[in-house]
Amino acid sequence: DSGVTQTPKHLITATGQRVTLRCSPRSGDLSVYWYQQSLDQGLQFLIHYYNGEERAKGNILERFSAQQFPDLHSELNLSSLELGDSALYFCASSVSGGSIITEAFFGQGTRLTVV
Amino acid sequence: GENVEQHPSTLSVQEGDSAVIKCTYSDSASNYFPWYKQELGKGPQLIIDIRSNVGEKKDQRIAVTLNKTAKHFSLHITETQPEDSAVYFCAPTYTSYGKLTFGQGTILTVHP
Repeated sequence: DSGVTQTPKHLITATGQRVTLRCSPRSGDLSVYWYQQSLDQGLQFLIHYYNGEERAKGNILERFSAQQFPDLHSELNLSSLELGDSALYFCASSVSGGSIITEAFFGQGTRLTVV
Repeated sequence: GENVEQHPSTLSVQEGDSAVIKCTYSDSASNYFPWYKQELGKGPQLIIDIRSNVGEKKDQRIAVTLNKTAKHFSLHITETQPEDSAVYFCAPTYTSYGKLTFGQGTILTVHP
């Protein structure tokens, strides 16, 4: 158990809908990272938050947004869902947030299926 | 952006054999070189990492070697066991970028 909790584990929804994925980082970790994993694209970095502030942005679609709350949990919001958004979404957390990367601990992921 | 390539994409070995996976990167600023293991149904987990001022690091059956000049680093697993079967990802990184960029992964299968 990595100590990172993601909910829900599975999500099935229809095209055009909006969903929210939730991540609770390990106790004491200030950084949260979101990744999308699909069969053909591997692990794609979406966004990084450190102590509530956005630190880095990757290939995140405009239909997607994220935030990190004062209690450090994070949510990834996916809207106007398309079939191609079906993937595993991982959250990871780490102690560091900037110039010194330390180990990133991954959650079990949320499997999103858009039908 | 960072261009990361892993080879081979699949690797099949007999139990007890050694396995080597190579990761090539393009960003000369990269200074942190981790390897992650992802088992079926789980998130990736760090198994070993190395920083740019070190050429080699070993942890029991696992080792990582770095060639910064040639911009590649390799994962070495000796005396492989069936439980080593997983997908392995490299993630060469410049720590100030604030993110890990993963390779496409290598599927390792260890046959008993």
